[in-house]
Amino acid sequence: FMLTQPHSVSESPGKTVTISCTRSSGSIASSYVHWYQQRPGGAPTTVIYKDNQRPSGVPDRFSGSIDSSSNSASLTISRLETEDEADYYCQSYYSVTRVFGGGTKLTVL
Amino acid sequence: EVQLLESGGGLVQPGESLRLSCSASGFNFRNYAMSWVRQAPGKGLEWVSGISGGGSTAYNEDSETGRFTISRDNSKNMLYLQINSLRAEDSAIYYCAKDSDVWGSWIASDYFDCWGQGTLVTVSS
Repeated sequence: FMLTQPHSVSESPGKTVTISCTRSSGSIASSYVHWYQQRPGGAPTTVIYKDNQRPSGVPDRFSGSIDSSSNSASLTISRLETEDEADYYCQSYYSVTRVFGGGTKLTVL
Repeated sequence: EVQLLESGGGLVQPGESLRLSCSASGFNFRNYAMSWVRQAPGKGLEWVSGISGGGSTAYNEDSETGRFTISRDNSKNMLYLQINSLRAEDSAIYYCAKDSDVWGSWIASDYFDCWGQGTLVTVSS
Protein backbone atom coordinates (compact mmCIF):
# COMPACT_ATOMS: atom_id res chain seq x y z
CA PHE A 1 0.00 0.00 0.00
CA MET A 2 0.98 3.66 -0.24
CA LEU A 3 0.75 6.52 2.19
CA THR A 4 -0.18 9.79 0.49
CA GLN A 5 0.59 13.16 2.03
CA PRO A 6 0.04 16.66 0.66
CA HIS A 7 3.21 17.98 -0.91
CA SER A 8 3.15 21.18 1.08
CA VAL A 9 1.13 23.19 3.59
CA SER A 10 1.61 26.66 4.97
CA GLU A 11 0.23 28.59 7.88
CA SER A 12 1.01 31.58 10.04
CA PRO A 13 2.68 31.55 13.45
CA GLY A 14 0.23 30.97 16.27
CA LYS A 15 -2.24 29.13 14.05
CA THR A 16 -3.04 25.42 13.79
CA VAL A 17 -2.16 23.17 10.86
CA THR A 18 -3.11 19.58 10.11
CA ILE A 19 -1.14 17.26 7.83
CA SER A 20 -2.94 14.22 6.48
CA CYS A 21 -1.61 10.80 5.58
CA THR A 22 -4.01 8.66 3.56
CA ARG A 23 -3.59 4.91 3.22
CA SER A 24 -4.30 3.61 -0.29
CA SER A 25 -5.51 0.13 0.66
CA GLY A 26 -6.25 -1.69 3.87
CA SER A 27 -7.46 -0.05 7.03
CA ILE A 28 -5.50 2.82 8.51
CA ALA A 29 -6.53 1.53 11.91
CA SER A 30 -4.92 -1.87 11.33
CA SER A 31 -1.34 -0.60 11.63
CA TYR A 32 0.23 2.03 13.84
CA VAL A 33 1.20 5.31 12.21
CA HIS A 34 4.27 7.24 13.32
CA TRP A 35 5.31 10.79 12.41
CA TYR A 36 8.81 12.22 11.94
CA GLN A 37 10.03 15.78 11.63
CA GLN A 38 13.04 16.60 9.47
CA ARG A 39 14.42 20.10 9.60
CA PRO A 40 16.54 21.33 6.66
CA GLY A 41 19.91 19.61 6.62
CA GLY A 42 19.08 17.45 9.61
CA ALA A 43 18.17 13.89 10.42
CA PRO A 44 14.56 12.91 11.17
CA THR A 45 13.22 12.90 14.72
CA THR A 46 10.05 11.35 16.07
CA VAL A 47 7.18 13.66 16.96
CA ILE A 48 4.34 11.13 17.25
CA TYR A 49 4.45 7.34 17.59
CA LYS A 50 1.75 4.68 17.66
CA ASP A 51 -0.90 6.99 16.19
CA ASN A 52 -1.10 9.50 19.01
CA GLN A 53 1.73 9.07 21.49
CA ARG A 54 4.19 11.88 22.02
CA PRO A 55 7.83 11.16 22.92
CA SER A 56 9.24 12.95 25.92
CA GLY A 57 10.56 16.34 24.93
CA VAL A 58 8.05 16.88 22.13
CA PRO A 59 5.75 19.81 22.92
CA ASP A 60 2.08 19.08 23.53
CA ARG A 61 1.37 21.32 20.56
CA PHE A 62 1.93 18.18 18.48
CA SER A 63 -0.86 15.61 18.36
CA GLY A 64 -1.79 12.64 16.20
CA SER A 65 -5.06 10.99 15.30
CA ILE A 66 -6.64 8.36 13.09
CA ASP A 67 -9.83 8.74 11.04
CA SER A 68 -11.22 5.46 9.74
CA SER A 69 -13.87 7.19 7.66
CA SER A 70 -11.23 8.82 5.47
CA ASN A 71 -8.71 6.02 6.03
CA SER A 72 -6.16 8.56 7.05
CA ALA A 73 -3.94 9.63 9.89
CA SER A 74 -3.34 13.23 10.82
CA LEU A 75 -0.64 15.24 12.51
CA THR A 76 -1.88 18.46 14.06
CA ILE A 77 0.43 21.21 15.20
CA SER A 78 -1.15 23.99 17.20
CA ARG A 79 0.25 27.40 18.20
CA LEU A 80 2.67 27.19 15.28
CA GLU A 81 6.19 28.45 15.78
CA THR A 82 8.75 29.31 13.14
CA GLU A 83 10.91 26.42 14.39
CA ASP A 84 8.15 24.01 13.30
CA GLU A 85 9.04 24.71 9.68
CA ALA A 86 10.25 21.35 8.41
CA ASP A 87 9.36 18.28 6.38
CA TYR A 88 7.01 15.82 8.06
CA TYR A 89 6.73 12.14 7.20
CA CYS A 90 4.19 9.57 8.25
CA GLN A 91 5.26 5.93 8.45
CA SER A 92 3.40 2.67 8.85
CA TYR A 93 3.97 -0.97 7.96
CA TYR A 94 2.58 -4.10 6.37
CA SER A 95 3.77 -7.64 6.98
CA VAL A 96 7.45 -7.21 7.89
CA THR A 97 8.20 -4.04 5.95
CA ARG A 98 7.89 -0.38 6.79
CA VAL A 99 6.46 2.28 4.52
CA PHE A 100 6.90 6.05 4.54
CA GLY A 101 4.61 8.66 3.12
CA GLY A 102 6.06 11.02 0.56
CA GLY A 103 6.48 13.84 3.07
CA THR A 104 4.91 17.26 3.56
CA LYS A 105 6.82 20.51 3.60
CA LEU A 106 5.43 22.80 6.29
CA THR A 107 6.09 26.48 5.80
CA VAL A 108 5.40 28.81 8.71
CA LEU A 109 5.09 32.28 7.29
CA GLU B 1 23.61 9.46 25.17
CA VAL B 2 22.52 7.34 22.23
CA GLN B 3 24.70 7.97 19.19
CA LEU B 4 24.72 6.52 15.70
CA LEU B 5 27.53 7.39 13.31
CA GLU B 6 27.43 6.26 9.70
CA SER B 7 30.43 5.96 7.42
CA GLY B 8 31.48 4.40 4.15
CA GLY B 9 29.68 6.63 1.68
CA GLY B 10 31.32 8.33 -1.26
CA LEU B 11 31.46 8.52 -5.04
CA VAL B 12 31.24 5.15 -6.77
CA GLN B 13 30.75 4.04 -10.34
CA PRO B 14 27.66 2.22 -11.57
CA GLY B 15 27.97 -1.51 -11.10
CA GLU B 16 30.36 -1.28 -8.17
CA SER B 17 29.70 -2.43 -4.62
CA LEU B 18 29.82 -0.54 -1.35
CA ARG B 19 29.58 -1.39 2.34
CA LEU B 20 28.16 1.21 4.68
CA SER B 21 28.83 1.08 8.41
CA CYS B 22 27.06 2.48 11.44
CA SER B 23 28.79 2.69 14.80
CA ALA B 24 26.42 2.66 17.78
CA SER B 25 27.03 3.82 21.32
CA GLY B 26 25.14 4.80 24.45
CA PHE B 27 22.76 1.83 24.55
CA ASN B 28 22.80 -1.96 24.70
CA PHE B 29 23.13 -2.47 20.95
CA ARG B 30 22.23 -6.17 20.84
CA ASN B 31 18.86 -5.47 22.46
CA TYR B 32 17.54 -3.37 19.60
CA ALA B 33 16.51 -3.97 16.03
CA MET B 34 18.09 -1.58 13.56
CA SER B 35 17.33 -0.32 10.06
CA TRP B 36 18.77 1.52 7.10
CA VAL B 37 16.66 4.31 5.63
CA ARG B 38 17.71 6.30 2.57
CA GLN B 39 16.81 9.67 1.12
CA ALA B 40 17.58 10.59 -2.47
CA PRO B 41 18.47 14.25 -3.09
CA GLY B 42 15.38 16.40 -2.65
CA LYS B 43 13.20 13.33 -2.12
CA GLY B 44 11.47 11.58 0.76
CA LEU B 45 12.48 8.85 3.16
CA GLU B 46 12.59 5.23 2.03
CA TRP B 47 13.02 2.26 4.34
CA VAL B 48 15.65 -0.05 2.86
CA SER B 49 16.34 -2.87 5.29
CA GLY B 50 15.91 -3.96 8.90
CA ILE B 51 17.50 -6.53 11.19
CA SER B 52 16.65 -7.98 14.59
CA GLY B 53 18.83 -7.37 17.61
CA GLY B 54 20.45 -10.77 17.48
CA GLY B 55 20.90 -10.58 13.73
CA SER B 56 18.96 -13.76 13.02
CA THR B 57 16.20 -12.13 10.98
CA ALA B 58 16.58 -9.46 8.33
CA TYR B 59 14.20 -7.92 5.83
CA ASN B 60 14.51 -5.71 2.78
CA GLU B 61 12.11 -3.41 1.05
CA ASP B 62 10.44 -5.61 -1.55
CA SER B 63 12.05 -4.15 -4.65
CA GLU B 64 15.58 -4.35 -3.23
CA THR B 65 15.78 -8.00 -2.28
CA GLY B 66 19.10 -9.37 -3.49
CA ARG B 67 21.22 -6.24 -4.00
CA PHE B 68 21.04 -5.05 -0.39
CA THR B 69 22.29 -7.08 2.57
CA ILE B 70 22.01 -5.83 6.11
CA SER B 71 24.14 -7.35 8.86
CA ARG B 72 25.45 -6.52 12.30
CA ASP B 73 28.35 -7.36 14.61
CA ASN B 74 27.09 -7.06 18.17
CA SER B 75 30.58 -7.60 19.59
CA LYS B 76 31.62 -4.36 17.91
CA ASN B 77 28.31 -2.45 18.15
CA MET B 78 28.31 -2.12 14.37
CA LEU B 79 25.58 -2.20 11.74
CA TYR B 80 26.37 -2.72 8.05
CA LEU B 81 24.69 -2.41 4.67
CA GLN B 82 26.24 -4.10 1.67
CA ILE B 83 24.98 -2.71 -1.65
CA ASN B 84 25.90 -4.52 -4.86
CA SER B 85 25.50 -3.52 -8.50
CA LEU B 86 25.02 0.13 -7.62
CA ARG B 87 22.80 2.22 -9.87
CA ALA B 88 22.40 5.98 -10.27
CA GLU B 89 19.05 5.76 -8.49
CA ASP B 90 20.82 4.42 -5.38
CA SER B 91 22.37 7.87 -4.90
CA ALA B 92 21.10 9.04 -1.54
CA ILE B 93 21.89 9.82 2.06
CA TYR B 94 21.78 6.54 3.96
CA TYR B 95 20.69 6.78 7.59
CA CYS B 96 20.93 4.09 10.21
CA ALA B 97 18.05 4.15 12.66
CA LYS B 98 17.35 2.44 15.98
CA ASP B 99 14.06 0.85 16.94
CA SER B 100 12.45 1.84 20.22
CA ASP B 101 11.50 -1.62 21.49
CA VAL B 102 13.99 -3.17 23.89
CA TRP B 103 13.12 -6.80 23.16
CA GLY B 104 15.28 -6.91 20.05
CA SER B 105 12.91 -8.78 17.77
CA TRP B 106 12.02 -7.37 14.38
CA ILE B 107 8.63 -5.81 15.05
CA ALA B 108 7.32 -4.04 11.98
CA SER B 109 4.97 -1.92 14.10
CA ASP B 110 7.82 -0.38 16.03
CA TYR B 111 9.16 3.07 15.29
CA PHE B 112 12.56 4.72 14.96
CA ASP B 113 13.56 6.58 18.11
CA CYS B 114 17.07 7.58 17.09
CA TRP B 115 18.75 8.34 13.76
CA GLY B 116 22.31 8.94 12.70
CA GLN B 117 23.33 11.96 10.64
CA GLY B 118 23.66 9.88 7.48
CA THR B 119 26.34 9.07 4.91
CA LEU B 120 26.07 10.24 1.31
CA VAL B 121 26.37 7.76 -1.53
CA THR B 122 26.76 9.14 -5.05
CA VAL B 123 26.68 6.73 -7.97
CA SER B 124 28.05 8.29 -11.11
CA SER B 125 30.52 7.60 -13.86
